[in-house]
Formats: sequence, structure tokens, C-alpha cells
Amino acid sequence: AQSVTQLDSQVPVFEEAPVELRCNYSSSVSVYLFWYVQYPNQGLQLLLKYLSGSTLVKGINGFEAEFNKSQTSFHLRKPSVHISDTAEYFCAVSEGITGRRALTFGSGTRLQVQP
Amino acid sequence: GAVVSQHPSWVICKSGTSVKIECRSLDFQATTMFWYRQFPKQSLMLMATSNEGSKATYEQGVEKDKFLINHASLTLSTLTVTSAHPEDSSFYICSAPNSGRVSYEQYFGPGTRLTVT
Repeated sequence: AQSVTQLDSQVPVFEEAPVELRCNYSSSVSVYLFWYVQYPNQGLQLLLKYLSGSTLVKGINGFEAEFNKSQTSFHLRKPSVHISDTAEYFCAVSEGITGRRALTFGSGTRLQVQP
Repeated sequence: GAVVSQHPSWVICKSGTSVKIECRSLDFQATTMFWYRQFPKQSLMLMATSNEGSKATYEQGVEKDKFLINHASLTLSTLTVTSAHPEDSSFYICSAPNSGRVSYEQYFGPGTRLTVT
């Protein structure tokens, strides 16, 4: 079985500061990794995904993440955050090559950007 | 990009009544759809996998007789919460991979907020 751990439930940060949201996973097989953002009372928006290839993945809104297989981590980073980045962020993992397996989500990290 | 819609976006119902939530893939076919439930300030938990033309598979602890799933076509899956109770109040989100492509991405609907009074 696969699992995802997001170590920080809340991350407060000042505007224009860098931020890192941590994600660790466990799985007995190869995985595909995702980061989603959820704004209040809305669905999920895909930020970025790692399927294979380069371990540094760039996504939308200036976010990037690095896949580290030895540390089973997929931390999300942004060099300079904006007030509008305040939201809930979920790390997720899926297994298999068909892409039809459901996602297992972490517990989420609330990013609070302060002026 | 691929779009998944859900209807209704929010619903309030009385305890003991049933509520149907629709999930549609608007511009692609989905032989499989997933239903998740999200309680306030919590993560998304998979409830069931909806399979077109066959029975849904439910996660452990999810009552299949209470949460009826019907995947009637390649673009529509419905979740019916039967005899709803206040503890069923939650945010229900569906997702679907594009069956016509080798894609590892799930496309999520905007969610349905259910409040049972």
C-alpha cells in the first residue's frame, strides 16, 4: 500500500519570501507524484507532476518540485510567494502504468502568505 | 484541457432523504471515475472507483448500499447518497483519467458540497 506524509499542517510565510512544502511517500512499487492546490470551496488544480525523467519538475505559478528517490521525497518549492498563493496544498501519489489508479493524498499543508 | 463537471455544486437536504450527484467528463471519455470525500480541513479520501458497464469497487469502510454509484455511460457517473444523515455532510469530489490517452493525470471536478440537516 502507498501512503503520503505531509509533515507540516500549516506554513506561515511573508510575501516574497521563499517557501518549501514537504512531502514524503512510501510505496512498494514505482510511483507517480503530484502536487495539487485547493482554494477555499473549490476543487483541485494540478500544480505539477513527476512521471519519469528529470527529477526537477517545473509547474504552474512559479512552483517547482524535486523528486528524490533515495529519500522518498517530493518537496514543493517557490522562490518568492505572493498573497494569492494562500491555499491548501496536497501532495498525492499513484501507482501503476495505466494511470487509472486512484490517487492517495497527503493530509495537506495550509500555506498562509502574510503581507 | 480536459474538463470534468459536477452537479449540483452544493445541495442541502433533510435527514433521511436521498441525494444524487453527477460527474461528467465534458470533452473526453472516461471508463473509470473516482469518487472522493473531503471533510472540513481534512484531506481527500477515496470512496470508490466507478467503472463503466460494471459494478463499482468500494474502499474499506464505505457502505456500498448507502453510496450507490452508477456509471451509465463513458461520460457520466452518479453518486447517490441514500438515507442521508448529518454525518454524511461533506465535500464530494470526482475525478477521471482520460481513457483515450496514455495519461497519468486525473482531471478533477469542482466538487459538490452536501449539507444534511
